Amino acid sequence: DAKTTQPTSMDCAEGRAANLPCNHSTISGNEYVYWYRQIHSQGPQYIIHGLKNNETNEMASLIITEDRKSSTLILPHATLRDTAVYYCIVRVAYSGAGSYQLTFGKGTKLSVIP
Amino acid sequence: NAGVTQTPKFQVLKTGQSMTLQCAQDMNHEYMSWYRQDPGMGLRLIHYSVGAGITDQGEVPNGYNVSRSTTEDFPLRLLSAAPSQTSVYFCASSPTGGRLETQYFGPGTRLLVL
Repeated sequence: DAKTTQPTSMDCAEGRAANLPCNHSTISGNEYVYWYRQIHSQGPQYIIHGLKNNETNEMASLIITEDRKSSTLILPHATLRDTAVYYCIVRVAYSGAGSYQLTFGKGTKLSVIP
Repeated sequence: NAGVTQTPKFQVLKTGQSMTLQCAQDMNHEYMSWYRQDPGMGLRLIHYSVGAGITDQGEVPNGYNVSRSTTEDFPLRLLSAAPSQTSVYFCASSPTGGRLETQYFGPGTRLLVL
């Protein structure tokens, strides 16, 4: 699986959009970009994923550059409850029974400030 | 649905003691797995199961045993606890194995081995 690089930490004012970048310059053609988050002391939570088109769901939007070497997770109206560590993961969508193994990097600690 | 539940939430063991971390899910998911998360590191897969009666090793299986006698339960056993097993343990389940966006995590068990 391709490696990812994320900033260690970011701050965002409550109510503003939070834009979390991720670099994945070695991504392969069949690898997706997944985003998870982990709120303090809780299990990881899936947010969104995409291959090359921009994606949006009820939680967030995912913008992937045309060369797929980087992406940005956008939380449109950040709330205090969005304070968490956000992980960007690049991997194939499915590759067998053990393929739901998740390898998290260090992620970005997002602090939403009142 | 309760989702994925884990017990206990916290546990302190002495070196050499044994214990079982419990994990249960009420979503009729075929796939279940155990991860450990250490400070500054991502999740690492310990063991996983693709259905009742079937288990397999993940990235860091040494020192841990699992069994899957029912669809609902997937206990993790530490036969002789060591300080290196101090960690936060997460159980996860998935209905369609390998699909990261459908993997649900439990709240975690914090284990301290003295």
